[in-house]
Amino acid sequence: GAVVSQHPSRVICKSGTSVKIECRSLDFQATTMFWYRQFPKQSLMLMATSNEGSKATYEQGVEKDKFLINHASLTLSTLTVTSAHPEDSSFYICSARAYNPNQPQHFGDGTRLSIL
Amino acid sequence: DAKTTQPNSMESNEEEPVHLPCNHSTISGTDYIHWYRQLPSQGPEYVIHGLTSNVNNRMASLAIAEDRKSSTLILHRATLRDAAVYYCILTNNNDMRFGAGTRLTVKP
Repeated sequence: GAVVSQHPSRVICKSGTSVKIECRSLDFQATTMFWYRQFPKQSLMLMATSNEGSKATYEQGVEKDKFLINHASLTLSTLTVTSAHPEDSSFYICSARAYNPNQPQHFGDGTRLSIL
Repeated sequence: DAKTTQPNSMESNEEEPVHLPCNHSTISGTDYIHWYRQLPSQGPEYVIHGLTSNVNNRMASLAIAEDRKSSTLILHRATLRDAAVYYCILTNNNDMRFGAGTRLTVKP
């Protein structure tokens, strides 16, 4: 099946650091990629949707200047958490989808971000 | 967005079938029904999806009610590795939003 690779799997860093997370679709062209955040014992919350070559669409309450998303190619999207603080600690998950919007999304294995 | 309702949790015995229900009474004619599952500390894994007809794949079966207001994910023989949170999601040319899902516990 389709494979999405997310890197790094875990990050521990000091408050104020900016952290970049990469999401790659390895065997298909991802027209659309999604970024989610999941807090402990909660469900996934959609943060933003990005289409290749376009600016990302952010969900209400998600700061676009805080969470920078780049989707410059059909196989790579990045999420940068700028000046991260302890409240940004969470499990970040990306997913990718090919052109047909009703086909399944394929998810990465997530990045556990811990800000000290 | 059309919403889904699932039981918070279910239990099953190993090697027995499991029927996970999902209600979606406000489903529109073009909404697809997707099922994903999430193991601890992993991203969600695609299980199955369908529109109107029942679907089978190597992982599970999806039974869709004739009026499409409900569906059931069927695991034919549960294993310990099937213990996960199962999400039923409706999509219609748009993004995928997750509800609380059903936490399936499989007892040996």
